[in-house]
Amino acid sequence: DARVTQTPRHKVTEMGQEVTMRCQPILGHNTVFWYRQTMMQGLELLAYFRNRAPLDDSGMPKDRFSAEMPDATLATLKIQPSEPRDSAVYFCASALGEDQPQHFGDGTRLSIL
Amino acid sequence: AQTVTQSQPEMSVQEAETVTLSCTYDTSENNYYLFWYKQPPSRQMILVIRQEAYKQQNATENRFSVNFQKAAKSFSLKISDSQLGDTAMYFCAFTQTQGGSEKLVFGKGTKLTVNP
Repeated sequence: DARVTQTPRHKVTEMGQEVTMRCQPILGHNTVFWYRQTMMQGLELLAYFRNRAPLDDSGMPKDRFSAEMPDATLATLKIQPSEPRDSAVYFCASALGEDQPQHFGDGTRLSIL
Repeated sequence: AQTVTQSQPEMSVQEAETVTLSCTYDTSENNYYLFWYKQPPSRQMILVIRQEAYKQQNATENRFSVNFQKAAKSFSLKISDSQLGDTAMYFCAFTQTQGGSEKLVFGKGTKLTVNP
């Protein structure tokens, strides 16, 4: 089965460090989403892209977070500088197009000390 | 703004029995999709079932079925013949189809435990 691949699966780092999370969407999927999951807030959308163009990043703290799609097979989410409150599980999901279900990766568990 | 409410933080069921998880949502849109996702301890997010708002027929997938009540904005999930592997967090989610906005809005989840 085709799957969304996220790396790394776990990341532990100290506050102030740059963190980069990567996502390889399912081949042929043109829509990519980044979600964050915390105990307090649940699952929240950070940003999403269609055909590599950002459509909505209103859920993302702009001062420290950035999301890009350098090409159709790679999406990145960067945090610089990282803070302890960024500790969460970050999910990437991809979809074939409009009105198609989203398929999730296994997530990156991020811990900022 | 769209909201999704799951009023049961935790539920338990005996193996082989049936359980129903509740979900209500709020939207002013007429066209939208509703989903149930399962998140086992491995933390994968697995799509369980999907319902299109313009379809009156309730969606079914093997042991999983939904009761979609559009007027009441209710979307419950029924799991029949519960299995130990059904133990997981279950999230109800909504996405609108108009305007190209497709972000999923999730409920807070229901933790389901299937007991042997």
